[in-house]
Amino acid sequence: DTEVTQTPKHLVMGMTNKKSLKCEQHMGHRAMYWYKQKAKKPPELMFVYSYEKLSINESVPSRFSPECPNSSLLNLHLHALQPEDSALYLCASSQVEAGGLGDTQYFGPGTRLTVL
Amino acid sequence: GNSVTQMEGPVTLSEEAFLTINCTYTATGYPSLFWYVQYPGEGLQLLLKATKADDKGSNKGFEATYRKETTSFHLEKGSVQVSDSAVYFCALIRRNSGNTPLVFGKGTRLSVIA
Repeated sequence: DTEVTQTPKHLVMGMTNKKSLKCEQHMGHRAMYWYKQKAKKPPELMFVYSYEKLSINESVPSRFSPECPNSSLLNLHLHALQPEDSALYLCASSQVEAGGLGDTQYFGPGTRLTVL
Repeated sequence: GNSVTQMEGPVTLSEEAFLTINCTYTATGYPSLFWYVQYPGEGLQLLLKATKADDKGSNKGFEATYRKETTSFHLEKGSVQVSDSAVYFCALIRRNSGNTPLVFGKGTRLSVIA
């Protein structure tokens, strides 16, 4: 099973709202990722968790707050977003190799976020 | 640094035509190479991968061979179907290099017409 699930599938929120995106995997992977994808572009890495610890933060604004409650779950908390934050948010997971993160990443179906 | 260059699209083909999408890479060390596919309105799906030189990845009739001498990983399919219409991303990741990220090409949009 190589499934990563994400909820919700679609989300519309105002600029003053607080919402959360959720991601779950049961493949025993110990690295989990958040990506942002704008239309007609490749995904851009936002955050990486390795063994439930934040290991990469790609200079993402603080209105995005990641959380990894356990090895199977990854959340992305959203607050005071801007319309330009509207995008497809993808979660991924992978094994962690002895030398780092160099293993195959498996992606979820994404959450389509619209900020009004 | 590490980078992936893939042919710009869109690519439009008739059903049953032969497909090639070119991908070349720049990386230090020995990266793993991937092709991901994104169907309209969906997330990325791993299509195939290769982890060392001369490996051939294959899936669903698609193939790609890891060519170290030409630093290439071109995607091919002998006979495309309308259902293959999607965006295809070539990507690489360096092995044994700490927390280096997955590097994507810009993507190639394929449209197959009946």
